[in-house]
Amino acid sequence: EDQVTQSPEALRLQEGESSSLNCSYTVSGLRGLFWYRQDPGKGPEFLFTLYSAGEEKEKERLKATLTKKESFLHITAPKPEDSATYLCAVRGVSGGSYIPTFGRGTSLIVHP
Amino acid sequence: GAGVSQTPSNKVTEKGKYVELRCDPISGHTALYWYRQSLGQGPEFLIYFQGTGAADDSGLPNDRFFAVRPEGSVSTLKIQRTERGDSAVYLCASRLSENSPLHFGNGTRLTVT
Repeated sequence: EDQVTQSPEALRLQEGESSSLNCSYTVSGLRGLFWYRQDPGKGPEFLFTLYSAGEEKEKERLKATLTKKESFLHITAPKPEDSATYLCAVRGVSGGSYIPTFGRGTSLIVHP
Repeated sequence: GAGVSQTPSNKVTEKGKYVELRCDPISGHTALYWYRQSLGQGPEFLIYFQGTGAADDSGLPNDRFFAVRPEGSVSTLKIQRTERGDSAVYLCASRLSENSPLHFGNGTRLTVT
């Protein structure tokens, strides 16, 4: 069974204070690790897909990295508009089904 | 282009009633998913369709939950004899192809009183 653990559960930063969010995973044959952003009252918004250890993806102030056991979402010089819940999900080869398993998310608040 | 559309956005019902939640996926997306999200939790898988058929319904919690996608586009999640524990946000997502990510709608917030 695929498992995803995200830490910390909540993170408060000052504007401009860089930090990282962690996603630890257990999966049989990784077929993709996904990062999403979720704003209150909205559905998750896709950010990145990573497929193999060593891969990195960047978008504005966000950079996602992947190892064989975990992924990090690095946030550089965050702004208040980066405040949201960040969700990590993994897809394995179990049963041949494409069913991403999600973690509980990290709630990020960036203070001005 | 239009994203995944879910209606209604909010639904309040009494315990024991029947509800239907609708999802209109992104045009051309063949796979459609239903997830459920409780407060402070991540999305929890319920069922997914590839075309008209349910490819995997292993996440449906019990036989009160049922979903259909008769023409391979719009899907309806049906919940019979609702219970207070069914209260949650029900999310729908679709994807274009095998290696595409899921794209989510904004969900239906179901409250069972």
